[in-house]
Amino acid sequence: TQLLEQSPQFLSIQEGENLTVYCNSSSVFSSLQWYRQEPGEGPVLLVTVVTGGEVKKLKRLTFQFGDARKDSSLHITAAQPGDTGLYLCGGYNKLIFGAGTRLAVHP
Amino acid sequence: GAVVSQHPSWVICKSGTSVKIECRSLDFQATTMFWYRQFPKQSLMLMATSNEGSKATYEQGVEKDKFLINHASLTLSTLTVTSAHPEDSSFYICSARVVQKDNEQFFGPGTRLTVL
Repeated sequence: TQLLEQSPQFLSIQEGENLTVYCNSSSVFSSLQWYRQEPGEGPVLLVTVVTGGEVKKLKRLTFQFGDARKDSSLHITAAQPGDTGLYLCGGYNKLIFGAGTRLAVHP
Repeated sequence: GAVVSQHPSWVICKSGTSVKIECRSLDFQATTMFWYRQFPKQSLMLMATSNEGSKATYEQGVEKDKFLINHASLTLSTLTVTSAHPEDSSFYICSARVVQKDNEQFFGPGTRLTVL
């Protein structure tokens, strides 16, 4: 069974701070996706990483896929209150999710 | 593009009744759809993989006779919660895989089921 571990599970920070969320597994994934979910809504895809070592940037968000395609990280620079939400990493081969990181950014 | 809808968005039912949830891909065809369940403040748990024209594949611990899945067309999958009980109350989310977009999955908005 493929499992994804996400850390931290909760993060409460002040506006302007930087943060990193980690997603780790003992399994190799063909690709990995990061999602953000607002309460009462479905997850919204942020990025897909496919190649080991790949780095993708989405404005203030930087995503990295580990060389061995077993882990990934999401780094947010200068967090804003609008970044508040549940961040989920999901790994393929069939999409399974980590426990999620609940981020709260306070003004 | 790649919009997935769910209906209803919320439903309240009495214990013992059955509830059907629809998942539609609006602007693309999805040979594979997925059903997830999410309890409050928890992550999404994959329940089953729904393949058009064939039987669904259920994850370990998910009762196939309780959660009936039908994927009769390339744009519609349904999940029926049979003989619902209060412990079935949850947020049910479907997703559809887009082959043309590197197998990315797009999620529906979810259906909140409350069983009284």
